[in-house]
Amino acid sequence: EVQLVESGGVLVQPGGSLRLSCAASGFTFSTYAMNWVRQAPGKGLEWVSSISDRGNSTHYAASVKGRFTISRDNSRSTLFLQMNSLRADDTAVYFCAKDGGNDILTGDAIDYWGQGSLVTVSS
Amino acid sequence: IQMTQSPSSLSASIGDRVIITCRASQSISSYLNWYQQKPGKAPKLLIYAASSLQGGVPARFSGSGSGTDFTLTISSLQSEDFATYYCQQSYSPPRTFGQGTKVEMK
Repeated sequence: EVQLVESGGVLVQPGGSLRLSCAASGFTFSTYAMNWVRQAPGKGLEWVSSISDRGNSTHYAASVKGRFTISRDNSRSTLFLQMNSLRADDTAVYFCAKDGGNDILTGDAIDYWGQGSLVTVSS
Repeated sequence: IQMTQSPSSLSASIGDRVIITCRASQSISSYLNWYQQKPGKAPKLLIYAASSLQGGVPARFSGSGSGTDFTLTISSLQSEDFATYYCQQSYSPPRTFGQGTKVEMK
């Protein structure tokens, strides 16, 4: 059974930094691309970032480019999102999500999601 | 690529046929996926590649379309189908979502 468990979500001040983690199990982590998708309170889904299976290809939404960094540790089956220069509009539940392919350029769907980790940016 | 869903919300009864549409701002071939999300829960993949049913998803869900216009159809609405539905393009990054369609009980 595929399991994705996010951690690291907390209350942080504007301008602060935070690192989210996602522990994966139930599939061969090193052969699939991974994604972060967020959802602001009461709002829709927003794709944030993706990383290829080997970590050599990354993509970002314009809203986070230059502030967020996605990475992965295949030896530990763990996905990360380093979030810097946080703003109030980054407040959201952040979902870790498994891709159906090894790179998002293959066009596969996101097929499994974690339960999410709440990040609140406020003073 | 902008994804526009319609309607934003709808009211329906058990047994109704429900159709949700999704339009892309440019051709995305068949790289269109549909997700269902219930309050406080993670999204769930229903349909991928415009018309392929994800394993374990009831056959009352179906998808169609290609290019810029797509539809999600629920042939006979069940109580567990009241939720918000999102389309998403996987043609090219950024992988944009539609704004969502909330299906409520009439």
